[in-house]
Amino acid sequence: GDSVTQMEGPVTLSEEAFLTINCTYTATGYPSLFWYVQYPGEGLQLLLKATKADDKGSNKGFEATYRKETTSFHLEKGSVQVSDSAVYFCALSMYYGGSQGNLIFGKGTKLSVKP
Amino acid sequence: NAGVTQTPKFQVLKTGQSMTLQCAQDMNHEYMSWYRQDPGMGLRLIHYSVGAGITDQGEVPNGYNVSRSTTEDFPLRLLSAAPSQTSVYFCASSLLRSGGGAREQFFGPGTRLTVL
Repeated sequence: GDSVTQMEGPVTLSEEAFLTINCTYTATGYPSLFWYVQYPGEGLQLLLKATKADDKGSNKGFEATYRKETTSFHLEKGSVQVSDSAVYFCALSMYYGGSQGNLIFGKGTKLSVKP
Repeated sequence: NAGVTQTPKFQVLKTGQSMTLQCAQDMNHEYMSWYRQDPGMGLRLIHYSVGAGITDQGEVPNGYNVSRSTTEDFPLRLLSAAPSQTSVYFCASSLLRSGGGAREQFFGPGTRLTVL
C-alpha cells in the first residue's frame, strides 16, 4: 500500500544552521505531498504542499520539491530559528477523479533548535 | 471562523467506561476524519466521512464508532475504553472535491485521553 518514510529524529541543531529532513514515499499513482508542523501542545498545521512532479512548495523559509524520479519530498530551511522547534510530518494524499483521498503520514521528526 | 474545534481537551477514563469525543467545523467541509497520535507511530486514521450519512473505516477502527448526521459535526465514540486507547486524538476536515490536487486538511487542537 501507499506509505511515507521520513528520517528518524530527534534532530538537534544550533540557531542559523541548515536543516534537511528526508522524506520518501511509495504510491501506486501520483499523490499530492505535504509537510505538516506540530508545535508543542498544538494540533497540526500545514507548512507547505506540492501537487505534481517538480512543484516546489515553500512557506516561512521552508522549501520542498516534489521529485517523482526519486519519490522524495525533502524539507529544507537555510537558517533555522529557535521558534522552528516542533515535530514535522511528511504526508501524502491520493486524489481520485477530483475527490480527496485520506492522508498517510510519516512517523514525524522532532526538531530542537538551540540558541 | 472557529475552524475545527474539539472537546474536551483532556479526559481520564477507567477501563470499560464509554465516552464521546466531539468535533465540529464551521467551514462547510464535506470531508472529516479522526486520527490518533501515539509516540513513534505518527498519525493513524481511525474513521473518516465524505459527507452527512457517509462514514468509513480507516487504518485502526476497532473500538471506535462514528456517525455523521450533519455536515458540521463528527463525533467519535469509545464504547468500552481500554488502556490501549490512551492517545491524543485529532479531528480534521477539508473540502472533498476540487481542481488541482488534494486539499489541505485543517486539524483541531486535539484531545488527550488517558484510560486507566
